[in-house]
Amino acid sequence: DIVLTQSPALAVPLGQRATISCRASQSVSTATYNFMHWYQQRPGQQPKLLIYDASNLASSIPARFSGSGSGTDFTLTINPVQSDDIATYYCQQSRELPLTFGSGTKLEIK
Amino acid sequence: EVQLVESGGGLEQPGRSLKLSCAASGFSFSARDMAWVRQAPPKGLEWVASISPGAVSTYYRDSVKGRFTISRDNAKSILYLQMDSLRSEDTATYYCATLGARHDMDAWGQGTSVSVSS
Repeated sequence: DIVLTQSPALAVPLGQRATISCRASQSVSTATYNFMHWYQQRPGQQPKLLIYDASNLASSIPARFSGSGSGTDFTLTINPVQSDDIATYYCQQSRELPLTFGSGTKLEIK
Repeated sequence: EVQLVESGGGLEQPGRSLKLSCAASGFSFSARDMAWVRQAPPKGLEWVASISPGAVSTYYRDSVKGRFTISRDNAKSILYLQMDSLRSEDTATYYCATLGARHDMDAWGQGTSVSVSS
């Protein structure tokens, strides 16, 4: 199975940049696609897709969110961070089965 | 607007069965791959199973293979998860989700809670 590693928590001041990383135990990219996706889960809610294929913004997601990376190292950036962004953020790979998620990074406002 | 509404969760004893349903609307259900994902409190997300649009292909995580069955009724736009031989470690909130082109999960239901305990 492909293991995705995320830092457990991150504290960022309001209005600053948050950078959340995800490292895969093996490459999740091909020559054509990066099979890495990002989700936001607010407390008590279902997850919501933010970024697909590493860098494509999902529908209705504000441009404050962006994604980058390839191979084994990926990043979700939120700039600027707003109070609404308090949530846990998960990466997910779909390069191979089983589909796997990172353990999540909890974003807190400093 | 895409809507996914799960139902069928509850409290069940180990070894018993439950069948979850996910009623879909607002999109062409029969054209989409679908998945079940679970989340044990207060843990992270875990993919459980996926099914192709015509139900020709199904996929499972190892821990549920042989116990869970994913299926769909395209005429009714409903996704199912038959859960047999339940174990305590199956306790979780179960979400259904639509799968995008690269198997990102682009829409989620609100989830249904399953608790397995004697």
